Amino acid sequence: AQSVTQLDSHVSVSEGTPVLLRCNYSSSYSPSLFWYVQHPNKGLQLLLKYTSAATLVKGINGFEAEFKKSETSFHLTKPSAHMSDAAEYFCVVSEGNFNKFYFGSGTKLNVKP
Amino acid sequence: EAQVTQNPRYLITVTGKKLTVTCSQNMNHEYMSWYRQDPGLGLRQIYYSMNVEVTDKGDVPEGYKVSRKEKRNFPLILESPSPNQTSLYFCASSPLGPRTTDTQYFGPGTRLTVL
Repeated sequence: AQSVTQLDSHVSVSEGTPVLLRCNYSSSYSPSLFWYVQHPNKGLQLLLKYTSAATLVKGINGFEAEFKKSETSFHLTKPSAHMSDAAEYFCVVSEGNFNKFYFGSGTKLNVKP
Repeated sequence: EAQVTQNPRYLITVTGKKLTVTCSQNMNHEYMSWYRQDPGLGLRQIYYSMNVEVTDKGDVPEGYKVSRKEKRNFPLILESPSPNQTSLYFCASSPLGPRTTDTQYFGPGTRLTVL
């Protein structure tokens, strides 16, 4: 069975410092992996996705994620946090064999001035 | 503008009163899905549809029904709502769904309260 674990439910950083949001997954096959962001009272927006073309994926707003198959991880990073990055972030896995998308429980990012 | 729309955006109802939340997409996507979002649980898939007249259960289908009579519409039906269905609901669509690396596009959400 597929599962997605976001290791931190809350992360707090200071503005201008790096961001690391952790995601581990379990998958029997070659998955597609996504990160979505949800700002307060808003819908979900795609940040980036891994599709096996390259292990380091660049997304919008300066975010990146690296796919590490040996560690079954897909951590999200950003070199320098901005106040506007405060939101909830979801790691998502999909596998074609199961026709479903699986969401992690989310990580709320707080950015302090 | 390419989008997924949901209606209503907010709904307060009482236990047992049937309701329908509509979802429509204008991108000719084959795959559509309903999720509910609860604090600390992320988004959980209720039902999905691979194409017209093809629907299947997600992880939390109990108490919900769906239909896919047209490609663009995927309504969510609660025949007899209960308080444990109070949640934030999202509809999403994707060109071909998890069979490919397609992205999902989400609607704005429907906040449902069942008293």
